[in-house]
Amino acid sequence: RKEVEQDPGPFNVPEGATVAFNCTYSNSASQSFFWYRQDCRKEPKLLMSVYSSGNEDGRFTAQLNRASQYISLLIRDSKLSDSATYLCVASTGGGNKLTFGTGTQLKVEL
Amino acid sequence: NAGVTQTPKFQVLKTGQSMTLQCAQDMNHNSMYWYRQDPGMGLRLIYYSASEGTTDKGEVPNGYNVSRLNKREFSLRLESAAPSQTSVYFCASSGGARDEQFFGPGTRLTVL
Repeated sequence: RKEVEQDPGPFNVPEGATVAFNCTYSNSASQSFFWYRQDCRKEPKLLMSVYSSGNEDGRFTAQLNRASQYISLLIRDSKLSDSATYLCVASTGGGNKLTFGTGTQLKVEL
Repeated sequence: NAGVTQTPKFQVLKTGQSMTLQCAQDMNHNSMYWYRQDPGMGLRLIYYSASEGTTDKGEVPNGYNVSRLNKREFSLRLESAAPSQTSVYFCASSGGARDEQFFGPGTRLTVL
């Protein structure tokens, strides 16, 4: 079983839609969680850190459920520019090593 | 601030050749990392350096060596390249535990 698992998609949604991605992690020692965004042939960039029970940043909301070892990302009012691959990431804290999921691809269409 | 820079951007090697991928950061970060990214596999950690003077193996270290030259620079060396090392290589840095990692633009390596 992969340490961090995501549905690879692709999720094809119309502009303005709300879309949610889910992620599960297997290492109960994981302390920090992140969502990164990666555009085609580019480097990953931090979208959001996920703290305690979750947090919101504009159209983006991240939730963490430690009991179920589950993280989610909600995108409201999707824009064409949101089209990218979204990487779920867990840190075990020591040396700040990160474990990446394989990513969920989002395509926002007109 | 340039952030994290990597050279070269592209490289083609023949099996058995050696090369060094260079990485530098100007954010005064303590920790630096080397990842490879392959289709369907996600990013996998090759080596990391928690602080200047220390290096540790990650998930897939075989076939690679690293040098933390100083606080700014962290290089990755392939001594004898193999086709299985064809990949996109990303360098990253972070300020410390629980901090986000900042990535360089990547090096696209093909081994024939």
